[in-house]
Amino acid sequence: QTVVTQEPSLTVSPGGTVTLTCASSTGAVIGASNANWFQQKPGQAPRSLIYGTRLKHSWTPARFSGSLLGGKAALTLSNVQTEDEADYFCLLYYGDAQVWVFGGGTKLSVL
Amino acid sequence: QVQLKESGPGVVAPSETLSLTCSLSSGLISSFHWFWVRQPPGKGLEWIGRIYYNGNTDYSPSHKGRVTISIEASKQVFSLKLTSVTAADTAVYYCGRELNWKIDSWGQGTPVIVSS
Repeated sequence: QTVVTQEPSLTVSPGGTVTLTCASSTGAVIGASNANWFQQKPGQAPRSLIYGTRLKHSWTPARFSGSLLGGKAALTLSNVQTEDEADYFCLLYYGDAQVWVFGGGTKLSVL
Repeated sequence: QVQLKESGPGVVAPSETLSLTCSLSSGLISSFHWFWVRQPPGKGLEWIGRIYYNGNTDYSPSHKGRVTISIEASKQVFSLKLTSVTAADTAVYYCGRELNWKIDSWGQGTPVIVSS
């Protein structure tokens, strides 16, 4: 069973920068993993932020960016705002099995 | 983006079949993958499976054998059936759209409780 691992929780100060990561139990995350990142606030549906590892939707704020970092997918938030406090989930594609697997999510606190 | 809405019974008895439908109120169902994701109370997101507009399906190994996703393109709807449900299937179920590994649209979610 493939497992995708994220930091359970992170804390950042307003105006600061934080990087969330997403690791695969099968090895290094690569471009073909097509990492997607989502933000979810309490009681709301997930909101898509990043696709294709680093591509932004038209509605994604500029302070969010995606990358590959040390064999993991990464989501970096710069100049963090209080409204960025939320749960963040990554999603990786496994082409051999043609399935997607979510990470367990990171609870980001802005304090 | 496209507008999606899930519908179905809010309560399902144990051992019965959970059936949900996702309707598109805008956009076309063709040329996309359409997926189902669920979120148990207080937990993370879980990918269940997806269907291409031509009917080809992919399912999570965790649910294979119990899940069927189908599509009625003419009606702009796709559906989820999960058999032999237990309390572990209690969750909010979301439908959504994927195009070339880009997920861009989500429904609002519908809660399902498995209870007698």
